[in-house]
Amino acid sequence: AQSVTQLDSQVPVFEEAPVELRCNYSSSVSVYLFWYVQYPNQGLQLLLKYLSGSTLVKGINGFEAEFNKSQTSFHLRKPSVHISDTAEYFCAVSVFDGGATNKLIFGTGTLLAVQP
Amino acid sequence: DAGVIQSPRHEVTEMGQEVTLRCKPISGHNSLFWYRQTMMRGLELLIYFNNNVPIDDSGMPEDRFSAKMPNASFSTLKIQPSEPRDSAVYFCASSLVRLAGDPIQYFGAGTRLSVL
Repeated sequence: AQSVTQLDSQVPVFEEAPVELRCNYSSSVSVYLFWYVQYPNQGLQLLLKYLSGSTLVKGINGFEAEFNKSQTSFHLRKPSVHISDTAEYFCAVSVFDGGATNKLIFGTGTLLAVQP
Repeated sequence: DAGVIQSPRHEVTEMGQEVTLRCKPISGHNSLFWYRQTMMRGLELLIYFNNNVPIDDSGMPEDRFSAKMPNASFSTLKIQPSEPRDSAVYFCASSLVRLAGDPIQYFGAGTRLSVL
């Protein structure tokens, strides 16, 4: 079975500072990896995804993530955060089962709190 | 496309009443997911459908919860009778699953349910 661990429940950071949100997963098969962002009182929206190919993936709003198979990690980074990046960030893993439905397993989320 | 549409956005009801949440997936999508989000338990998958057929309902908390998908453009999640512990934000998501597809789930804005 697959699982996702987000070790940090909350990450405070000052505006314009870099940030890294950590995500580790466990799976015995190949996976797809995602980061979703949830702004207050809104649904989740896709930030970026790793399906295959280059291990460094770029998403919206200047975020990027690197897939590290040996460390089973998919950490999210941004070199300089803005106040508007304050939100909950969810890491998720999916196993594609050959044409059936993809089920997403979500981590518990990390609240990124950007302070002026 | 308007995205995944959920209604109502907010629902306040009294314990014991029946509650029906509605979801219209993105046109052309063939998979639909219902999630529940609470502070205590995070984001939980309740049930998902593939081509209108329920595939996995193992996340449905108990018999008071039921979900239907009578056609490709509509789904309901019903709670009868409702209890205060059902208070949460309920999300619907849809996806297009193909053999070589892009397994992204698109989320609605959610329904915030309060059971008094």
